[in-house]
Amino acid sequence: SQELEQSPQSLIVQEGKNLTINCTSSKTLYGLYWYKQKYGEGLIFLMMLQKGGEEKSHEKITAKLDEKKQQSSLHITASQPSHAGIYLCGVSNSGNTGKLIFGQGTTLQVKP
Amino acid sequence: GAVVSQHPSRVICKSGTSVKIECRSLDFQATTMFWYRQFPKQSLMLMATSNEGSKATYEQGVEKDKFLINHASLTLSTLTVTSAHPEDSSFYICSARDPGGPSYEQYFGPGTRLTVT
Repeated sequence: SQELEQSPQSLIVQEGKNLTINCTSSKTLYGLYWYKQKYGEGLIFLMMLQKGGEEKSHEKITAKLDEKKQQSSLHITASQPSHAGIYLCGVSNSGNTGKLIFGQGTTLQVKP
Repeated sequence: GAVVSQHPSRVICKSGTSVKIECRSLDFQATTMFWYRQFPKQSLMLMATSNEGSKATYEQGVEKDKFLINHASLTLSTLTVTSAHPEDSSFYICSARDPGGPSYEQYFGPGTRLTVT
């Protein structure tokens, strides 16, 4: 079965600093999702990458997909306290049934 | 975007009792919904796929008699934790895809925190 590993597991940054979270898959990626979760709440969809080399941005968050490396990175520029939370990467299985498998998550704290 | 709601948001029950959690798609119809559970400081684990009008499909290791899923309508799926025990305490989240939206996008409910005493 496919597994996703995220790094780092947790991150504390000073407000205004940039940061990167990585997500590495054990198998070929057929689509990579990024979600954000605040503790005890549901998931907020950030973006989905489908093709190797694809890059998407939303506000100060940019995600890239490196299909050859079976890896995706999430980059936050000029972090703010509102960026704090748990970031989860997820993949859909090859049959596109809608099932998502998630990485273990990266907890981000942003110090004002 | 589409909205998925869950009820209740929090529930505390005694060991041995059953608890029902509802997942609703508010502005779209979902033939398929998914149930996940999340332990503290851990990721989401898929428990089962809820199919409208048919039996749910459970992931390996998930007891179907323990976690009863009913998808009686296109907007409602329920998860019943039967004979709950403290080890069932967890955060349960449902999700659904909007067939009228982008095929890849899934919407998650806000979650239900279950505490079994």
